[in-house]
Parts: sequence; structure tokens; C-alpha cells
Amino acid sequence: KQEVTQIPAALSVPEGENLVLNCSFTDSAIYNLQWFRQDPGKGLTSLLLIQSSQREQTSGRLNASLDKSSGRSTLYIAASQPGDSATYLCAVRDNNDMRFGAGTRLTVKP
Amino acid sequence: DGGITQSPKYLFRKEGQNVTLSCEQNLNHDAMYWYRQDPGQGLRLIYYSQIVNDFQKGDIAEGYSVSREKKESFPLTVTSAQKNPTAFYLCASSIAGAYGYTFGSGTRLTVV
Repeated sequence: KQEVTQIPAALSVPEGENLVLNCSFTDSAIYNLQWFRQDPGKGLTSLLLIQSSQREQTSGRLNASLDKSSGRSTLYIAASQPGDSATYLCAVRDNNDMRFGAGTRLTVKP
Repeated sequence: DGGITQSPKYLFRKEGQNVTLSCEQNLNHDAMYWYRQDPGQGLRLIYYSQIVNDFQKGDIAEGYSVSREKKESFPLTVTSAQKNPTAFYLCASSIAGAYGYTFGSGTRLTVV
């Protein structure tokens, strides 16, 4: 059964820092990996989707990488801003459904 | 604009009551999903449906029921058999195959 782990569980950084969030998964037979953002009490907003054949995706200040063979993905956020404060979840889609990590709660201090 | 609409945003249930959470999508997606989110935990799959009139149990289906009579709609009923229903419920949809998920804004259910 696929298991997804996110480290760290919480992260606090000063504004302007570059940061990396980590995601690992146990079964490399995945269709894709998706990074989401969740604000308190809200639904999930899709940030980046990486297909299994891809190595990375970029959107603005965000860059996500995928190393399927090692079961790892990273989300890189450049020049962090207070508005980036939220919980970030990664999820992997395999043959059955999508499995989620517990998330990393990010706080960017002004 | 296309999207997923969940209603209500907040729902209160008395002991012994059944309640139904609504999920409607106009994305023409084939597959729809219900997840439960508890504080500090990842999302857990309750039920999913890949086609009209068919649905499958997820990891935590006990105490829940669903129907899929229309492609656009996938309501979730939380029955009195669910002993700990207080949680945040999220509905999602996707195109069949290796595509990403789109989520609704969620329903927070509280037992009073």
C-alpha cells in the first residue's frame, strides 16, 4: 500500500528566503504526483502536477521535482512571501487512487 | 467558470441523525471522490466513483454511503453508524486516467 511522508511537518522562515519542502513515497509505480496548497478551513488548490515521465514542473516562484526511482519529490519556493503561509500537501496517484501526505505547515514571517 | 461546488460550508448533526453533503461539478469529469480530513492527518479516501451508477469503497467507508445517479453529482451521506463524524470533508473530481484532481472548498461537519 502506497505511503506518502512529508518532512518537515512545520517550517517557519523569514520573508525572502528560498525554501524546500520534501515528499517521499514508498511505491515508485505512480501515474503522477501533485502538490497542493491548503489555507486554513479551505479546500485544496492545485499548484503543480508532474507526470511520471517528467522530472520537474515550474510555475512562477514554484518548482517541483520528481525522482520516481528514489521515491522523492521536492517543492522549491523562491523568495518566500508572507502570502505563501499555508499547508502544502503532496499526493501521488497510482493505479487505485491518490494518496496524500499529512502536509507541511509553512509560516513566512514578515 | 468550471469547478466543484460543495454545500453546505458548515453542517451540524445531532446524535443519531443522518446528514447528506452535496458535491456538484461542471468540469465534465468522469471520476469523483470523497475524502475526510482530520487535524494533523492526511486526507483519507471514503468513497470514489469512476462512472455513473458505480462507486467503490475507500479506506474508511464504514458509516458512510454515496450515490452517483448523474455525472455531475456525488452526494455523501454520513449515517448514524459513523461514530466519530466530526471532520472536514472534501470532494474532488478528475478525468479518468493519469490526470490531476480538482477539489471543492469543503464542508465542516460537527456533531452537537
